[in-house]
Amino acid sequence: NAGVTQTPKFQVLKTGQSMTLQCAQDMNHEYMSWYRQDPGMGLRLIHYSVGAGITDQGEVPNGYNVSRSTTEDFPLRLLSAAPSQTSVYFCASRAGTANTGELFFGEGSRLTVL
Amino acid sequence: SQQGEEDPQALSIQEGENATMNCSYKTSINNLQWYRQNSGRGLVHLILIRSNEREKHSGRLRVTLDTSKKSSSLLITASRAADTASYFCATPRSSNTGKLIFGQGTTLQVKP
Repeated sequence: NAGVTQTPKFQVLKTGQSMTLQCAQDMNHEYMSWYRQDPGMGLRLIHYSVGAGITDQGEVPNGYNVSRSTTEDFPLRLLSAAPSQTSVYFCASRAGTANTGELFFGEGSRLTVL
Repeated sequence: SQQGEEDPQALSIQEGENATMNCSYKTSINNLQWYRQNSGRGLVHLILIRSNEREKHSGRLRVTLDTSKKSSSLLITASRAADTASYFCATPRSSNTGKLIFGQGTTLQVKP
């Protein structure tokens, strides 16, 4: 049971490049989400999904796209990377969509935009 | 804006001492969760306390919730060097979407 798997673990991009951060979970969780973590800012919610085909914006969605074609996968796309998107990104999932369940986190993807 | 704010931002104690971290939040909630993050790793769930609970225990962890003051505290008793980590409180943004909003965290260092 792998839990939440994020790839890649590290990535360096140039300004304007695009890329996709992958997130997969094998726990059949309905809820999946992406956070970014920056020093002094804690974790901020980017996008989330309550099930396949359903996505919504979090606190800081600009510059990011998501889709949820399957229950297992929730990729995060950066269409045109900017230095302000340098951060550590975490994917998290939860069984059910109520807010009383615990979130399971991946190990993070560290992104640097030059 | 952040829903939860932790205090202090950093805490350094000796092994064996107790560590107390506080979290304040702004809106009404039905539960509050605490998470731990070891350096370079993902967050791990520690404990959830519901709005109708005042105190909850899990091993060496004790969590309190005061809904009238919109605050919670996490107490780690008899701390160990392995407790060195960042600790975050998390509260729901709303009840029907499951969105969880995290505070900025408290960094705890336990010296052996």
